[in-house]
Amino acid sequence: GAVVSQHPSWVICKSGTSVKIECRSLDFQATTMFWYRQFPKQSLMLMATSNEGSKATYEQGVEKDKFLINHASLTLSTLTVTSAHPEDSSFYICTPRAPHGETQYFGPGTRLLVL
Amino acid sequence: DAKTTQPTSMDCAEGRAANLPCNHSTISGNEYVYWYRQIHSQGPQYIIHGLKNNETNEMASLIITEDRKSSTLILPHATLRDTAVYYCIAADNNNDMRFGAGTRLTVKP
Repeated sequence: GAVVSQHPSWVICKSGTSVKIECRSLDFQATTMFWYRQFPKQSLMLMATSNEGSKATYEQGVEKDKFLINHASLTLSTLTVTSAHPEDSSFYICTPRAPHGETQYFGPGTRLLVL
Repeated sequence: DAKTTQPTSMDCAEGRAANLPCNHSTISGNEYVYWYRQIHSQGPQYIIHGLKNNETNEMASLIITEDRKSSTLILPHATLRDTAVYYCIAADNNNDMRFGAGTRLTVKP
């Protein structure tokens, strides 16, 4: 089936640094990718929708200047956590929008730990 | 997306069928019912999805009521590796999926 990859799978960084997470759609061209985050013992929360060739749209409460999204191509979207703080430590997951009625696959996730 | 309601947790004996219910009473006509599961520290794993008809694949069966207001995911022979959080999601063509709390299924020996 369709495969979604994320890189890195886990990252530890110091507070104040920026971290870039890549999400690739390996099976089809995705004009849209969705980014989620998941805090411990909680469900996945949609953060933003990444659109190829245009600006991302963010959910309420998600700072667009802190979580920079770039949808550089039809198979790659990146999420950059700028000036990361410990409260940004979370599990970040992406999923490319599937063609109508098709299976929606999620990436394996990236675990971020900010010290 | 229509809101879905699932029991918080369920237990199942190994080898028995696990039946996980989901209510989606406000589902609209163009929304599919998707089921995913998440094992600790992994991304959600796709299980099955359907619109109106019942569906079956190598992992599970999905039974959708005629009025589409509820559905049941059936794992025919649960194993210990099926222990996970199971999410039922009603989503339309935009596939903007909103996750609820899901059902924590524990398969016991």
